[in-house]
Amino acid sequence: GAVVSQHPSWVICKSGTSVKIECRSLDFQATTMFWYRQFPKQSLMLMATSNEGSKATYEQGVEKDKFLINHASLTLSTLTVTSAHPEDSSFYICSAPPRRENYGYTFGSGTRLTVV
Amino acid sequence: GDSVTQMEGPVTLSEEAFLTINCTYTATGYPSLFWYVQYPGEGLQLLLKATKADDKGSNKGFEATYRKETTSFHLEKGSVQVSDSAVYFCALLKAAGNKLTFGGGTRVLVKP
Repeated sequence: GAVVSQHPSWVICKSGTSVKIECRSLDFQATTMFWYRQFPKQSLMLMATSNEGSKATYEQGVEKDKFLINHASLTLSTLTVTSAHPEDSSFYICSAPPRRENYGYTFGSGTRLTVV
Repeated sequence: GDSVTQMEGPVTLSEEAFLTINCTYTATGYPSLFWYVQYPGEGLQLLLKATKADDKGSNKGFEATYRKETTSFHLEKGSVQVSDSAVYFCALLKAAGNKLTFGGGTRVLVKP
């Protein structure tokens, strides 16, 4: 089945540095990738939608300059958290929509970001 | 806007117990409904889905019926196992390719 590989699975960084999270579709082409953020004991919050070859669409309240999203190719989408602060610590998950109507969305395994 | 509400956890059960996780939704039109499961340290996996009213989704012993009259999609399993310990998310989708709207997630812990 469809697999989305997300790396790294966890990362610790210092305040003020930037962190890049990658999501790769391994056996299919993902023209769209959804990026979610999950707070402890809370649900997934959609941050933005990346589309190959065009600018990402951000949800209301999400800082475009802090969360840089790039969809470089049909198999790679990246989220870069710039100038990270402790409040950016969270679990980030990517997801690709189904290739066919009866398939489910494919999720990456998530990245736990801790900013110290 | 669209929203999904599911019961808060954690839900702690003994093995072979009956599990119910309530899920209700608010949406215009006719959304598709899903249950996703997140095992420790992993991403979300589709558990089951239903695309129209009265449809029943089933997988791995889990079932959920799309009830339009009550706007609900409750998840049930008759006899849980320790391996069912996970976080379960109810979600809705308005149209193919659009974003999923998730409920808050329910953590389930099954003890031997």
